[in-house]
Amino acid sequence: QSVLTQPPSVSAAPGQKVTISCSGSSSNIGNNSVSWYQQLPGTAPKLLIYDSNKRPSGIPDRFSGSKSGTSATLGITGLQTGDEADYYCGTWDTSLSTVLFGGGTKLTVL
Amino acid sequence: EVQLVESGGGLVQPGGSLRLSCAASGFTFTNYNMTWVRQAPGKGLEWVSYSSGRSSTIYYADSVKGRFTVSRDNAKNSLYLQMNSLRAEDTAVYYCARGSLFFDYWGQGTLVTVSS
Repeated sequence: QSVLTQPPSVSAAPGQKVTISCSGSSSNIGNNSVSWYQQLPGTAPKLLIYDSNKRPSGIPDRFSGSKSGTSATLGITGLQTGDEADYYCGTWDTSLSTVLFGGGTKLTVL
Repeated sequence: EVQLVESGGGLVQPGGSLRLSCAASGFTFTNYNMTWVRQAPGKGLEWVSYSSGRSSTIYYADSVKGRFTVSRDNAKNSLYLQMNSLRAEDTAVYYCARGSLFFDYWGQGTLVTVSS
């Protein structure tokens, strides 16, 4: 059971929008920045969002991040079949002195 | 181009030891904190250990504390993870990643299997 809670799965049709939530507490998301990662099958994770809402160079603006209180959200617009992957949120936990990851959300593009 | 290449994984018996290496290139290694993250088969990501650029600050997950040791050789642009007293639950793909609070580059991973 992860300290950061993500829905196990989400799905949407090509071209549509989807959001993935990540819920934590004041010791982690509430007081620290959040990052998001995409993991395509059989590959290493890839950074999509850092500092809660910033995109690294090369990440399309279809991907966005936001944070409010102790929750964070990853948004993906204009869904493509190539977006089918597992998505993880991550943040520092001040009480535990560790980086935490959410349990992951499997995105299916129907 | 930033590259991280892990090596050293393999099959080891419970209670055994293994040393993982991560060779870095394409950036000034000393200037970056580095982290080990693992992923058990079919499971999510688990943060394992972190080393600051000059090894002055090191953290471990509770699950590996006292058994794993992270180190780095900045002259060789390399990060290491010495794993002792290995358990079945340590079976995972081990990734090295650049960064401390978020990870902008990841290696391809090396598989560690702990089994008799």
